[in-house]
Amino acid sequence: AQSVTQLGSHVSVSEGALVLLRCNYSSSVPPYLFWYVQYPNQGLQLLLKYTTGATLVKGINGFEAEFKKSETSFHLTKPSAHMSDAAEYFCAVSGYSGGGADGLTFGKGTHLIIQP
Amino acid sequence: GAGVSQSPSNKVTEKGKDVELRCDPISGHTALYWYRQSLGQGLEFLIYFQGNSAPDKSGLPSDRFSAERTGGSVSTLTIQRTQQEDSAVYLCASSLDGRPGETQYFGPGTRLLVL
Repeated sequence: AQSVTQLGSHVSVSEGALVLLRCNYSSSVPPYLFWYVQYPNQGLQLLLKYTTGATLVKGINGFEAEFKKSETSFHLTKPSAHMSDAAEYFCAVSGYSGGGADGLTFGKGTHLIIQP
Repeated sequence: GAGVSQSPSNKVTEKGKDVELRCDPISGHTALYWYRQSLGQGLEFLIYFQGNSAPDKSGLPSDRFSAERTGGSVSTLTIQRTQQEDSAVYLCASSLDGRPGETQYFGPGTRLLVL
């Protein structure tokens, strides 16, 4: 069984400030981890993902995330927030359970608010 | 190329009616996924197709929900005897061949409102 916990349903930062969105996961198999972004009335867009290899993963729009197995975390960061980053962010996990590919298990989401 | 498309974009129906939601995956993608997004439950995985086969249907919320995929391409999600709690956004995604860790590409969703 897998689960994802996103701390903070809403996060507010000032434009130009550091963005930190927290994600912790639980998985009985080696996890594959994803961050997706959703703009209003749109589908989900992949920001970045971790599968294997380098634990620091860089994504689109200046975002990056670090896989820390010891902390079961995959926090998302961006050094300098931009107004266009305001959106809903979802952390997700998938893993191979032996029965074929699993669907993604998502966290509840974090709404990122950018203050001018 | 074209992304995942879904139709209709919005659907309003009366309680007790049946609805069909359609998903056109990215051309060449063999894996297709359905999810439901609602305020109360967040994003839930419903079902996964590899080709025309759905190995695991346990994610479907009730026996009123069914899904099929024909020709390894288009998929339909059918909800029979709709209830108000079925109101949600239904998202479809596809990936190249369904291997774990593959990127899933999402469509814009169908917003279903059951009155």
